[in-house]
Amino acid sequence: GNSVTQMEGPVTLSEEAFLTINCTYTATGYPSLFWYVQYPGEGLQLLLKATKADDKGSNKGFEATYRKETTSFHLEKGSVQVSDSAVYFCALRASGGYQKVTFGTGTKLQVIP
Amino acid sequence: EAGVVQSPRYKIIEKKQPVAFWCNPISGHNTLYWYRQNLGQGPELLIRYENEEAVDDSQLPKDRFSAERLKGVDSTLKIQPAELGDSAVYLCASSLMRQGNTEAFFGQGTRLTVV
Repeated sequence: GNSVTQMEGPVTLSEEAFLTINCTYTATGYPSLFWYVQYPGEGLQLLLKATKADDKGSNKGFEATYRKETTSFHLEKGSVQVSDSAVYFCALRASGGYQKVTFGTGTKLQVIP
Repeated sequence: EAGVVQSPRYKIIEKKQPVAFWCNPISGHNTLYWYRQNLGQGPELLIRYENEEAVDDSQLPKDRFSAERLKGVDSTLKIQPAELGDSAVYLCASSLMRQGNTEAFFGQGTRLTVV
């Protein structure tokens, strides 16, 4: 079946540090890939997405590139801020008609001043 | 535009009691989802509606969970009776399913604690 594996947290970084959160997936065909963010006390928000191989999703300084050869969709940001502290979820929706969104377990990011 | 609205935000009940959650999706969204998110885990789909029809309820524990979406708009999710292991955040999401659109919008969730 479809699955998403992301690096375990928590990840603690100093402000302005470089962020990478690894995500790999297992799915048949060409799934759509997503990163969702969940700020404390809030619901899930779509951060970025990519729908085909080699696409790069970007938003709010975050980027992720759909790498089919390595089945990966790693999240990166060049300089994190305290306000980026949240839980980040990698997710996929398989191709071929409707398919449910499958989420990873989430990675908690804490950015300290 | 209002987002997905859920209520209540928090609920504490004793085991064996019933509980219900309500969701109002984004206006015009034909697809509605209920997810359960256990502590430290990602959300897992419980049920998906296309308009008023439940088209994927394979992960819904039907012995105690039920859901409905009257008139294809608002939805309720019910648990009766609740068990300790039902403690989780219940998330509602909606989307407008059309070609090329794959985004679901989530509500803030209802945090259920069963004691």
